[in-house]
This record gives sequence, C-alpha cells and structure tokens, in this order.
Amino acid sequence: QQPVQSPQAVILREGEDAVINCSSSKALYSVHWYRQKHGEAPVFLMILLKGGEQKGHEKISASFNEKKQQSSLYLTASQLSYSGTYFCGTEYNNNAGNMLTFGGGTRLMVKP
Amino acid sequence: DAGVIQSPRHEVTEMGQEVTLRCKPISGHNSLFWYRQTMMRGLELLIYFNNNVPIDDSGMPEDRFSAKMPNASFSTLKIQPSEPRDSAVYFCASSLDRGGYTFGSGTRLTVV
Repeated sequence: QQPVQSPQAVILREGEDAVINCSSSKALYSVHWYRQKHGEAPVFLMILLKGGEQKGHEKISASFNEKKQQSSLYLTASQLSYSGTYFCGTEYNNNAGNMLTFGGGTRLMVKP
Repeated sequence: DAGVIQSPRHEVTEMGQEVTLRCKPISGHNSLFWYRQTMMRGLELLIYFNNNVPIDDSGMPEDRFSAKMPNASFSTLKIQPSEPRDSAVYFCASSLDRGGYTFGSGTRLTVV
C-alpha cells in the first residue's frame, strides 16, 4: 500500500521554507527521502529509522513519528537547486528485507 | 565508484519483440531492485534480490516479465513479448543492507 504524500505540488520563492509530509497506514520500520530532477534518477537524501533521531542534510532535515506512522521533510531557506520531485519511500515492519514502497511524489518549484 | 550502471539508456522496439535491460550494481551492495516509473503509476517495485536471490517478485506484472541475477555484479530484466503498455522508465537500484538506494540512470523503453 502506497504512502500518501502532501502536498502534491508547491511553488516557493528562493529563501522560503517548505514542509512535505508522508503518511502510511501500516507500521513503519524506516522512511527514506529522495529527490528526482526532470529526466534524471532519484537521488537519496536521508533515511530515518524506527527509534532513531531526526536527521539533517545541509538545510534539509526530516522527522519520523512512529506512533503516527508519518514523516516530514523540512526545506529551509530554499535554493533554486532544491527544485524537483521529492519522494518518500517506506519500509514496513513485516518486510522480508529493505524493499521500499514509494509515495506519489511532491513537485517542488523554487523561483528566483 | 561508477555508480549503478544500466544499459541501454533508450530502447525503442516493436510490439511483440523481446527486450532485455541490464544492470550492474555498486560493488559490495547486497540488495538489488528493479523499479518501473510512469506518470500514471509512479515508482513501482517489480522485483527485489538479496545476495543474488529473488526475495519478492510480487510486483512483476505478468509472466511476460522475468528477472535474473546470475552473480553479484549483474542483473537482467527481460520482457517477452513486449506490449505498448510496457513503455516506461525502468530503474535499477542497489543498496547495502538497509541503507539508502543508489539508482542507475534508467532505461527509457518505448514499445510501438
């Protein structure tokens, strides 16, 4: 079952902040976040593990609420290079391994 | 490291023909995944290998699709016979244990 991402799309001005949410109906072991630019492959941003801490990567950070089965990606002081489609990938507790189910994506456009 | 290498980058074929997509994962990675991406269905997991063994192929659409991983450095995804609805971008990704995925550049398949 695919996790649900919101919003589906967001337009920002350079320097503004954004939050992208990812929620699951099933218990999660981990959540991954990826960014994909048009015509390119998804690129790994970070992983959040069950029982782990909030992770950060430059001005991009994320949190994982195991109880609510939700994760949020925070983009602060956005830059033009942040434009792209962001995907969360969820790994469920009953997985045989680390297979990810990806959400539908959130399109982010940062304008000058 | 050269990353995950996929070939060919583009493939145009006629309906009914056999198509073979190739993937070389990152050396040392023990998990390999084949995903398909379309506008309508997003990123769908087709099959997952761990230590060269297929663990979950429940995402393979039908018997026309088959995948192999004869050794740790090579995998193939074959479609026979191909149909227009198979047109998509096919990504191979690899990871070490439950770490982040590294995606290949993808193969854009067009079946006419």
